[in-house]
Amino acid sequence: AIQLTQSPSSLSASVGDRVTITCRASQGISSALAWYQQKPGKAPKFLIYDASSLESGVPSRFSGSGSGTDFTLTISSLQPEDFATYYCQQFNSYPLMYTFGQGTKLEIK
Amino acid sequence: EVQLLESGGGLVQPGGSLRLSCAASGFTFSSYAMSWVRQAPGKGLEWVSTINNSGSSTYYADSVKGRFTISRDNSKNTLYLQMNSLRAEDTAVYYCAKELISLIEVADGRGFDYWGQGTLVTVSS
Repeated sequence: AIQLTQSPSSLSASVGDRVTITCRASQGISSALAWYQQKPGKAPKFLIYDASSLESGVPSRFSGSGSGTDFTLTISSLQPEDFATYYCQQFNSYPLMYTFGQGTKLEIK
Repeated sequence: EVQLLESGGGLVQPGGSLRLSCAASGFTFSSYAMSWVRQAPGKGLEWVSTINNSGSSTYYADSVKGRFTISRDNSKNTLYLQMNSLRAEDTAVYYCAKELISLIEVADGRGFDYWGQGTLVTVSS
């Protein structure tokens, strides 16, 4: 089964910082990767699909890139509402399993 | 407005059974694959199961295969998860989620654009 490894597991940053989170797949998954944001006690929020396509309504400070095994989520200028946990998820495996990464907790410095 | 509303969670003893439901509205339910995702207390997200739009194809995580069954009733706009032989490690909030793109093969999934609020399942004696 394909494994997704996110790094770092946690990150402290300040409002206005540029932040990058990495997601590495154990084997190539083309561009079949999505990113989610989750705040405590809430359901995940869909951010990005196909590795780099921004979901409608998501602020443009969020961007995604990558293909194959290495992917990144970048927040260009952190806002107070961006402090949350972020997960990647892959959609390209046989047998089919929509694996999630372990999450990256983004905290205020 | 898309809405997904889970129900059926609760406290169950190890070895017991529970059926979760997810009532969908605001979109053409029969056109979209649907999934269940769970989150154990203080842990990350775990994909559990996916069903295609017609209900003819189902997929499961290894951790639940043979114990859980996903199904749907497109006439009632409702998704189900039948959970049998429950274990303590099945304790989690269970979310239902909608696939982004309509009328695609599950293998071409792209993302879960809408999620329910979750229902808590606690397996304990």
